[in-house]
Amino acid sequence: GQSLEQPSEVTAVEGAIVQINCTYQTSGFYGLSWYQQHDGGAPTFLSYNGLDGLEETGRFSSFLSRSDSYGYLLLQELQMKDSASYFCAVRALNRNAGNMLTFGGGTRLMVKP
Amino acid sequence: EPEVTQTPSHQVTQMGQEVILRCVPISNHLYFYWYRQILGQKVEFLVSFYNNEISEKSEIFDDQFSVERPDGSNFTLKIRSTKLEDSAMYFCASSERRVAWNSPLHFGNGTRLTVT
Repeated sequence: GQSLEQPSEVTAVEGAIVQINCTYQTSGFYGLSWYQQHDGGAPTFLSYNGLDGLEETGRFSSFLSRSDSYGYLLLQELQMKDSASYFCAVRALNRNAGNMLTFGGGTRLMVKP
Repeated sequence: EPEVTQTPSHQVTQMGQEVILRCVPISNHLYFYWYRQILGQKVEFLVSFYNNEISEKSEIFDDQFSVERPDGSNFTLKIRSTKLEDSAMYFCASSERRVAWNSPLHFGNGTRLTVT
C-alpha cells in the first residue's frame, strides 16, 4: 500500500517563507503532486515532480528526492490568501499502472498578519 | 477556463435511501474520477473511469457504489443504500490523460452528502 506523512499544521507570518514536508512509502512511484484546498473548496493542482530536483512556479516551488522518498512544497512571500490546506499526493504503481492518486493527510497553513 | 461542475452542492438523505451525485467533467477530458473527503480528513480515491468502464477502484467502492456515463457529458455516482458513514464531501475530477506530470486532476466543487 501507500502512505504519506506531512505535518498537520503550520503557522507563518505574511511575507515569510514556509516549507511543507512530505515523506512517502509506496510500492512503486510515478511522481509527487501538490494540491491546495481552501476551506469548503475543491483541491486545486499546484505542482508535480516526476524527477529529482526543484520545480518552480512563481511563489511556489516543489522539490523531490526519490532516493529519500521525500519532497517538500516551498511557499515564498506568503500572503493571507495562502491560508489553506496543502496535500501531497503520489501516483503509485498498482496492478493497472494506476489512475489513482493517494493523498496525504494535509497540512493546514495559517498565515498571520 | 473550463471547469468540472457538480450538482447538487448539498444533498441530505435518510439512511437506506439511494442517492445519485452528478458531474459534468471538462469536455475534452478522457478520464473521470470520484474522490471523497470526510470532514477534516484526507481526500480518498473511490473510482476512475475511462472509455465507458471502470479502470480502477478502491476498497471503499463496494457493491453499494456504481458509476455511469449516461450520455456524452454527465458522469454520475450512485450510492444504492446510504449509510451514516457515507456522509462526506464527494468530489468529481477529470483529467486529459492518466495522471501524469502534464495532466493534473481538475476537481469540481463537490457535493456535500449528509446521511441522517
